[in-house]
Amino acid sequence: DGGITQSPKYLFRKEGQNVTLSCEQNLNHDAMYWYRQDPGQGLRLIYYSQIVNDFQKGDIAEGYSVSREKKESFPLTVTSAQKNPTAFYLCASSRARMGLSNQPQHFGDGTRLSIL
Amino acid sequence: AQSVSQHNHHVILSEAASLELGCNYSYGGTVNLFWYVQYPGQHLQLLLKYFSGDPLVKGIKGFEAEFIKSKFSFNLRKPSVQWSDTAEYFCAVTWGQGNKLVFGAGTILRVKS
Repeated sequence: DGGITQSPKYLFRKEGQNVTLSCEQNLNHDAMYWYRQDPGQGLRLIYYSQIVNDFQKGDIAEGYSVSREKKESFPLTVTSAQKNPTAFYLCASSRARMGLSNQPQHFGDGTRLSIL
Repeated sequence: AQSVSQHNHHVILSEAASLELGCNYSYGGTVNLFWYVQYPGQHLQLLLKYFSGDPLVKGIKGFEAEFIKSKFSFNLRKPSVQWSDTAEYFCAVTWGQGNKLVFGAGTILRVKS
């Protein structure tokens, strides 16, 4: 079955460390997204990518970085510059490129990151 | 700035009660509207969507939503809820040609059996 795989499910980080969250999709989707979910705040967009080797900042990109070297992979690095990294991180993908904004997004199961 | 508002953060209903969850977005123009649901321990999944045509759209599990352009609203409804509808519900919108999806804060629904 096609889908989105996020790993690991739970991740712990010491203060001052960078950590990378994995996101892989086998849906052949062009666009991929990273969101942060905090209680009472819904999902906020961190970064998105519409095509390989291209990505754009979302609403809360500070302290995060991404790469898109392959169509199926969109890893997110939470850097030590992110002041409040404890959250639930969701990866999504869609067929959408600009002009196809009616395509729904498909979500992974998420990674819960905690600071030790 | 583009924004999406969901009026209630927590809703508690008894089984068989009717449900209406409010959703308003910040301004008009061409919009694409979505409701997503996150059941406990599961990933977000699409409940229903509106792009054009009949403003009353039907989704999975007996849910429906009505797009009222003059009110910038896309409220979610279900005539009779079940215990299994306990979940968090998110309204989301894209504007124009952009594919950036903006989410509301979510509404946690608890259905008492």
